[in-house]
Amino acid sequence: DAGVIQSPRHEVTEMGQEVTLRCKPISGHDYLFWYRQTMMRGLELLIYFNNNVPIDDSGMPEDRFSAKMPNASFSTLKIQPSEPRDSAVYFCASSLDTTGFTEAFFGQGTRLTVV
Amino acid sequence: DAKTTQPPSMDCAEGRAANLPCNHSTISGNEYVYWYRQIHSQGPQYIIHGLKNNETNEMASLIITEDRKSSTLILPHATLRDTAVYYCIVRGSGGGADGLTFGKGTHLIIQP
Repeated sequence: DAGVIQSPRHEVTEMGQEVTLRCKPISGHDYLFWYRQTMMRGLELLIYFNNNVPIDDSGMPEDRFSAKMPNASFSTLKIQPSEPRDSAVYFCASSLDTTGFTEAFFGQGTRLTVV
Repeated sequence: DAKTTQPPSMDCAEGRAANLPCNHSTISGNEYVYWYRQIHSQGPQYIIHGLKNNETNEMASLIITEDRKSSTLILPHATLRDTAVYYCIVRGSGGGADGLTFGKGTHLIIQP
């Protein structure tokens, strides 16, 4: 497996524009996570899905952020409208549904710059 | 999940063992200790985890004190490629995978 695949790797957009980040989890994984990383706040969990259903979105910063998982092999994180403070690296991760131990596999991230 | 405390940075000479400490004094009986690392510009990578026994794999060893209030990650022969931020995370063993909570971690710098 190629691992968790995110696209694009880099995105530069103007304030007010809509941004869509994409993620393809590892095949067979039941859980998908979206994280955001900034220098100030470190790695923050935004939302996670189990079997395509959002389980916990308490980390989503505000209504401008939305995430979907239409099927087991694809998820999107959308920001509309984008603001400069949304600039960060966004990571997607996936894991199996196993009792006890679950190793999360992370993608390479999308570096978002909002100007 | 229990809170962890790690030194913000450490240096280690290439070829030597790197010992990264982590304090987790409020850990509860069913919580595991996980270690991840993040190399610059990459996503975090799993290293090792344990409950109360010492653990070893191809990447590292994990030593957990008998009272489980602290642990040490050991990279036996550090290389320049081990320069990264290392995160110690404590979380429960419930089924499924609620998200990992990352702290500030330890920035390990391997010196040539």
